[in-house]
Amino acid sequence: AQSVTQLGSHVSVSEGALVLLRCNYSSSVPPYLFWYVQYPNQGLQLLLKYTTGATLVKGINGFEAEFKKSETSFHLTKPSAHMSDAAEYFCAVIPYSSASKIIFGSGTRLSIRP
Amino acid sequence: GAGVSQSPSNKVTEKGKDVELRCDPISGHTALYWYRQSLGQGLEFLIYFQGNSAPDKSGLPSDRFSAERTGGSVSTLTIQRTQQEDSAVYLCASSWGGAEQFFGPGTRLTVL
Repeated sequence: AQSVTQLGSHVSVSEGALVLLRCNYSSSVPPYLFWYVQYPNQGLQLLLKYTTGATLVKGINGFEAEFKKSETSFHLTKPSAHMSDAAEYFCAVIPYSSASKIIFGSGTRLSIRP
Repeated sequence: GAGVSQSPSNKVTEKGKDVELRCDPISGHTALYWYRQSLGQGLEFLIYFQGNSAPDKSGLPSDRFSAERTGGSVSTLTIQRTQQEDSAVYLCASSWGGAEQFFGPGTRLTVL
């Protein structure tokens, strides 16, 4: 069965510091990979996605993620954190075996210290 | 429409009552999905529609949960005889058939 593991339910960084949110997936074949962000009391917004092609994917708000097949990872990074980045972040996969449901990780809450 | 819409945004009900949650997908999107977000279980898939048919109902937690989609557009998720453990945010998403799903703002259901 497919699964997504996000290391760290809560990450806190200082404003201006590097943001690194970790995600690993289990899959026998490379899946479609996503990062979603959820601001308080709002719905899910797509940050970025990997389907095929270039393994370094750039998304909105300065975020990027790199698909590493050998490590089955899709970590999310941002060089310099901003206060507005405080939110819950979800890594997710759609396995190639199904174009239907998304399998979500448990989420990482990102806090930004002034 | 401009995005996926869901109604109501909040619903408070008493244990044992039935509730209906509505989702209006983006116009032209053939695929529609229901998910549930709760503190204990995170984000869980419930059901997937392609057109008006539901090829994947594997996430529905019990036979108290049902969903339908009519005209390839609006979908309704019905929960019968609600229980306190049904309290959650119910999210709807739609897709044109590709990998990206667009999410609505959700319906927060509270069962007293």
